[in-house]
Amino acid sequence: QLVLTQSPSASASLGASVKLTCTLSSGHSSYAIAWHQQQPEKGPRYLMMLNSNGSHTKGDGIPDRFSGSSSGAERYLTISSLQSEDESDYYCQTWGTGDWVFGGGTKLTVL
Amino acid sequence: QLQLQESGPGLVKPSETLSLACTVSGGSISSSTYYWGWIRQPPGKGLEWIGTIYYSGSTHYNPSLKSRVTIFVDTSKNQFSLKLSSVTAADTAVYYCAGGMRQGEIDYWGQGTLVTVSS
Repeated sequence: QLVLTQSPSASASLGASVKLTCTLSSGHSSYAIAWHQQQPEKGPRYLMMLNSNGSHTKGDGIPDRFSGSSSGAERYLTISSLQSEDESDYYCQTWGTGDWVFGGGTKLTVL
Repeated sequence: QLQLQESGPGLVKPSETLSLACTVSGGSISSSTYYWGWIRQPPGKGLEWIGTIYYSGSTHYNPSLKSRVTIFVDTSKNQFSLKLSSVTAADTAVYYCAGGMRQGEIDYWGQGTLVTVSS
């Protein structure tokens, strides 16, 4: 079964960097994913699509501070030079044969 | 740049059918470039996939909702719609429409609409 696993929470200081992780279930390590950001009281926003080789395609207007990388079954979202507006929920998403699968989300707190 | 906007009643009675529409602007709903879908988010919880529809008309539904869900396209209005029957309080959520254009990722999101199931 295709499942995405995320840590429920993460925190980092203003101006620092943070690396969020999304783990694909066994047998699905070649799958691409997408990262989405949901700021408080807002709808989600597409950040990037991330392939198994680490190449990624960002959405329009997404700052260079957001980058993606991959290692095995793990997909990462790195946010550098953290700003207060980066305090959000971050969801990873993947797809099978017509279906969409979401991770449980990581709540990022900027200290 | 595609834009998506949900519309529909914000309050639905238990046992009735929830009906929402998503109007697409900036692109054609019937283009083979895109695929479309619905997602919901109960208050304070994460995202749950409801279903997707492709330009061919093929649909895929979350197995936990499949018996109650229908997604269809109205090309004359450049819309796609969601119907969820026999709703209960557990169906109270913000409902999002979404679209994509590459492998299966969601590139575009609607702003979301809160639907409350209550008598």
